[in-house]
Amino acid sequence: AQSVAQPEDQVNVAEGNPLTVKCTYSVSGNPYLFWYVQYPNRGLQFLLKYITGDNLVKGSYGFEAEFNKSQTSFHLKKPSALVSDSALYFCAVREKGDKIIFGKGTRLHILP
Amino acid sequence: GAVVSQHPSRVICKSGTSVKIECRSLDFQATTMFWYRQFPKQSLMLMATSNEGSKATYEQGVEKDKFLINHASLTLSTLTVTSAHPEDSSFYICSGTSGRSTNRGDTQYFGPGTRLTVL
Repeated sequence: AQSVAQPEDQVNVAEGNPLTVKCTYSVSGNPYLFWYVQYPNRGLQFLLKYITGDNLVKGSYGFEAEFNKSQTSFHLKKPSALVSDSALYFCAVREKGDKIIFGKGTRLHILP
Repeated sequence: GAVVSQHPSRVICKSGTSVKIECRSLDFQATTMFWYRQFPKQSLMLMATSNEGSKATYEQGVEKDKFLINHASLTLSTLTVTSAHPEDSSFYICSGTSGRSTNRGDTQYFGPGTRLTVL
């Protein structure tokens, strides 16, 4: 069965520093991987996805993620964090069938 | 990106009443719509998947007679919580894709959510 894990409940980063939000997955075939961001009392906003091709995927708001098949990871990164990046981030995987599985979320705090 | 709206954004109702939540895709045709439930500080739990013109497919443990889903057009899906009880209080989020539910590479576009409080 497919699954996705976000090992960190919360990540704190100083403004201007690089940030990483971790995600690992488990699937039996080729994964389709997604990152979404959720602001307070709002729905999720799509950031980026990996389907095939280059392992480094660039998305919205300067975010990028690297697909690493050997480590079964899809960590979200940004070179320089902004206070406005503070939000709840969800990694998701979709393999077979029609259901997308979300991780439990990582709360990102960017400290001014 | 594509825009999905939900109405109402917040609703408070009495126990035993029914509440309807609308989900609309504003600038694309949502062939497939998903309904999720999110508890505080938790991830999204998929409740059901509906392809336009077909009956919704409910996830295990979700009562289809309690959570009625209608997807009669390519731009509108509704979730009706029937005979609501306090334990139904939650944040309900819909999403839509332009492809069929089996197109696993499709991006889901999410509505802003509806906070339901049942007194």
